[in-house]
Amino acid sequence: QKEVEQNSGPLSVPEGAIASLNCTYSDRGSQSFFWYRQYSGKSPELIMSIYSNGDKEDGRFTAQLNKASQYVSLLIRDSQPSDSATYLCAVTTLSGGFKTIFGAGTRLFVKA
Amino acid sequence: DTAVSQTPKYLVTQMGNDKSIKCEQNLGHDTMYWYKQDSKKFLKIMFSYNNKELIINETVPNRFSPKSPDKAHLNLHINSLELGDSAVYFCASSPPGLAGSQQYFGPGTRLTVT
Repeated sequence: QKEVEQNSGPLSVPEGAIASLNCTYSDRGSQSFFWYRQYSGKSPELIMSIYSNGDKEDGRFTAQLNKASQYVSLLIRDSQPSDSATYLCAVTTLSGGFKTIFGAGTRLFVKA
Repeated sequence: DTAVSQTPKYLVTQMGNDKSIKCEQNLGHDTMYWYKQDSKKFLKIMFSYNNKELIINETVPNRFSPKSPDKAHLNLHINSLELGDSAVYFCASSPPGLAGSQQYFGPGTRLTVT
């Protein structure tokens, strides 16, 4: 079982729709959860961080964490073509030292 | 500019050569990392240093040797390069934080081994 799993996509949504990206993780002791966005040929950049169960909203982005289900998601409202990128879920775990494990990423296409 | 910088941005070399990639951060962070991103875009940690000390060393061939002369620099030296080493290598840094902190990535070094 992979430590952090994401659907590789591509996920295609029309402009203005809600894009829903999902991630599951295997280590119950995981402490911190992040969503990074990576445009083609560029480096990852942080979109959202979440540390406790529930929802966290920042502009058009909402991160949701459910530690009991070992599940974290990212919702993008009013999706724009500029949101087209690969979204990486990252989980920081205590096992083996503080280590951040990245998922393989979900490619999102927002059609104009 | 406040950032994580890497040099070179592109590196094309032949099998068997030795090469180095340099990384510097001026964010005042204590922890620095090297990641490898392969053609399938999977980002995998290689090494992590905290205040010049190695804290994470994943199952990386010993042809890869990181060096941290001070906490602002983390360089990566690769001996006897192989075709499978072709990838994008990202340096990153993070501030201290008990629960884990976000990472700030450099622009990446695209290594092509021919």
